[in-house]
Amino acid sequence: DSGVTQTPKHLITATGQRVTLRCSPRSGDLSVYWYQQSLDQGLQFLIQYYNGEERAKGNILERFSAQQFPDLHSELNLSSLELGDSALYFCASSVPQGTSGQETQYFGPGTRLLVL
Amino acid sequence: AQSVTQLGSHVSVSEGALVLLRCNYSSSVPPYLFWYVQYPNKGLQLLLKYTSAATLVKGINGFEAEFKKSETSFHLTKPSAHMSDAAEYFCAVSQGDSSYKLIFGSGTRLLVRP
Repeated sequence: DSGVTQTPKHLITATGQRVTLRCSPRSGDLSVYWYQQSLDQGLQFLIQYYNGEERAKGNILERFSAQQFPDLHSELNLSSLELGDSALYFCASSVPQGTSGQETQYFGPGTRLLVL
Repeated sequence: AQSVTQLGSHVSVSEGALVLLRCNYSSSVPPYLFWYVQYPNKGLQLLLKYTSAATLVKGINGFEAEFKKSETSFHLTKPSAHMSDAAEYFCAVSQGDSSYKLIFGSGTRLLVRP
């Protein structure tokens, strides 16, 4: 158990709908990352928040947005869903180690989204 | 831009045999490299990471990896495969900007034959 929790575990919805995925980082971790894992794209970075502020954006669609709240949990909002959005969405958290990139990211179990 | 290439989407070994999973990276700066394992229907678990302290890195479950700058490689090995090692393995590099986001390879599925 990594200490990162994600809810829900599974989500089935229809095209055009909107869903919210939730992530609680490990206690003390300030950074939250969101990744998408799909069969055709593999594991891709979506977005990162650090202590409530957006730090970096990756291949995140405009229909997707995220935020990190004062208690450091994060939510990923996916709207106008399409069939191709079906994927496993992971959240990871880390605590900064100076200015290096060697910090370990701890991954949650993921939310499996199926868009029908 | 940094990138990672994993050679072989599937690797099959017999139980007790050597495991070798290949990873090559491309980076314009000294990289931080990671190996993660994903068991079926689970999240990713860190096996080991290279942070420039030592070129031979030992991880969990008997795995180790050697950083070879001249070959831009970070291959993962285990002397003797166990049935429980069957999983998907991902090599990743940490982006060298303020984000430290991970860039993953396409993954290698390890099959262990009895």
